[in-house]
Amino acid sequence: SQQGEEDPQALSIQEGENATMNCSYKTSINNLQWYRQNSGRGLVHLILIRSNEREKHSGRLRVTLDTSKKSSSLLITASRAADTASYFCATDARGVSGSRLTFGEGTQLTVNP
Amino acid sequence: DSGVTQTPKHLITATGQRVTLRCSPRSGDLSVYWYQQSLDQGLQFLIQYYNGEERAKGNILERFSAQQFPDLHSELNLSSLELGDSALYFCASSVGGLSYEQYFGPGTRLTVT
Repeated sequence: SQQGEEDPQALSIQEGENATMNCSYKTSINNLQWYRQNSGRGLVHLILIRSNEREKHSGRLRVTLDTSKKSSSLLITASRAADTASYFCATDARGVSGSRLTFGEGTQLTVNP
Repeated sequence: DSGVTQTPKHLITATGQRVTLRCSPRSGDLSVYWYQQSLDQGLQFLIQYYNGEERAKGNILERFSAQQFPDLHSELNLSSLELGDSALYFCASSVGGLSYEQYFGPGTRLTVT
């Protein structure tokens, strides 16, 4: 099963509203990353938060990390139609054959103009 | 533009055939990652190379193989193709390991008929 699971699976909001997406994971991590994907295109890195950090900001993005609850949230403020995309959290996980990023199934965000 | 290039963009082939997907990482990046994205499996990590050596292995089938060449470009070989191998295949690169953001290429869409 996926290490990271996003919630909700889909989110539809109006332009100007805030969008919050959550990610839960199962095992200890060194860092957690958020990526964005426009339909059928490559993923774009948004932000990386390390396990010893609790909050990080980048422009209209705010990410929090709660390692005790094994969860993270991504907040997009003042959303725009161009923010419409799928958003994935990714955690580093140690496997039998080395460490890798494990991606959740994503949240599909639709921002209506 | 992430700086990662992938060829070809689209590939249509028949079951039982063999194909090679090519990836050129961003200038200066030593790590190359391969991912498979399908509707039912989500984004799955396949394999990572770092400076020519295999570093981590994920859910890569035995029919699939990869390598990273001295000039750091990478190839993913898929053989004895099955209908279920139809997917988007992404290559990503990073400066180092999992503590660094990954830059994704535009992907190769493989259709097996």
